[in-house]
Amino acid sequence: EPEVTQTPSHQVTQMGQEVILRCVPISNHLYFYWYRQILGQKVEFLVSFYNNEISEKSEIFDDQFSVERPDGSNFTLKIRSTKLEDSAMYFCASSPSLQESGNIQYFGAGTRLSVL
Amino acid sequence: GQNIDQPTEMTATEGAIVQINCTYQTSGFNGLFWYQQHAGEAPTFLSYNVLDGLEEKGRFSSFLSRSKGYSYLLLKELQMKDSASYLCAPKGGGYNKLIFGAGTRLAVHP
Repeated sequence: EPEVTQTPSHQVTQMGQEVILRCVPISNHLYFYWYRQILGQKVEFLVSFYNNEISEKSEIFDDQFSVERPDGSNFTLKIRSTKLEDSAMYFCASSPSLQESGNIQYFGAGTRLSVL
Repeated sequence: GQNIDQPTEMTATEGAIVQINCTYQTSGFNGLFWYQQHAGEAPTFLSYNVLDGLEEKGRFSSFLSRSKGYSYLLLKELQMKDSASYLCAPKGGGYNKLIFGAGTRLAVHP
């Protein structure tokens, strides 16, 4: 069964460093998302991406964050200068199209980011 | 504003039935999803409702009342592996984003 894959599973970085989290969405999906979940808290929407541009972003997704689809398969989240409070599990998700009932979002296993 | 309310924790016995309620207020509404999340893992899709009524899918059913801003997830014939958090997630105000509640942590006991 097709799945969303994320790498790495765990990333440790120093405060102020840049990190890039990588995702390979399900191959025929058109919509891509990043969510994050701080330990013990709820899953929060960061950004959605469609047709090579951001379609929606949350207040969390400030200038320190960017997303890119550098080729036909990868979807990346970059944090320019990490802060302690960026420590969280980051989930990538993808969904097929608005024509599919519900446009169900399928999640990857996540990247645990630890900022020291 | 956007608000989602679910019970924080529930316990149930193996083989029993449990109903997890969710009330929501969102700006705009494009359907409601239920996801299951085991500790340390990704949310996994369970069900989707966009029209009022009951959707049944094996041991899991989900109900929606749009006028009341209310949904529930019904789990039958509970198994130990059903111990997880259950996330109510309306899709609202905006393109496609899911707005997750804090989740209901279900513990299934023998």
